[in-house]
Amino acid sequence: GQNIDQPTEMTATEGAIVQINCTYQTSGFNGLFWYQQHAGEAPTFLSYNVLDGLEEKGRFSSFLSRSKGYSYLLLKELQMKDSASYLCAVRIRVDSNYQLIWGAGTKLIIKP
Amino acid sequence: ETGVTQTPRHLVMGMTNKKSLKCEQHLGHNAMYWYKQSAKKPLELMFVYSLEERVENNSVPSRFSPECPNSSHLFLHLHTLQPEDSALYLCASSHRQGPSGANVLTFGAGSRLTVL
Repeated sequence: GQNIDQPTEMTATEGAIVQINCTYQTSGFNGLFWYQQHAGEAPTFLSYNVLDGLEEKGRFSSFLSRSKGYSYLLLKELQMKDSASYLCAVRIRVDSNYQLIWGAGTKLIIKP
Repeated sequence: ETGVTQTPRHLVMGMTNKKSLKCEQHLGHNAMYWYKQSAKKPLELMFVYSLEERVENNSVPSRFSPECPNSSHLFLHLHTLQPEDSALYLCASSHRQGPSGANVLTFGAGSRLTVL
């Protein structure tokens, strides 16, 4: 079956660095997404990886290893506003269609 | 504003009521989605419309009925719901998913549904 695992909750300190991991067991891999969702708000797109390696975008970076079925989201210089849930999603190809498989999300709590 | 607008934001209904959720996007996207989000669970895809045709229905109970009158609007009609249907219902839109490109989903803020 198709499965995505990510930690349920993490806590980090303002100004520090945190790494949120996502492991997946899927077939037909066609890209991996990270979304951020603040409480009561819409999920918003953070990053997309389809090839192995690190994609950097300001304070946020996302890494992918397709051979290991592994990704992480790295958040640097943490700010209080980074307190949110972070959703990992894998796009897979099924016949001629494309589907997103979602993780349950990681709730990140930032402490002063 | 995220570009995808959902109404109402909050809805409380009894099990015998009939109500509808509305979603609207003016991003030029040609695919629209309904997702159910429950606490500590992955997003559950309910329905997908691509080019105004329903292309996916993930074994959703018939008490949920989608409608897509045009590429900008999507409805979810609700009737005789159960308490376990209480959740956040998210609408999203994107360009049609294909073999290349991110085709990122843009989500609405959701409709928080409580069934009594």
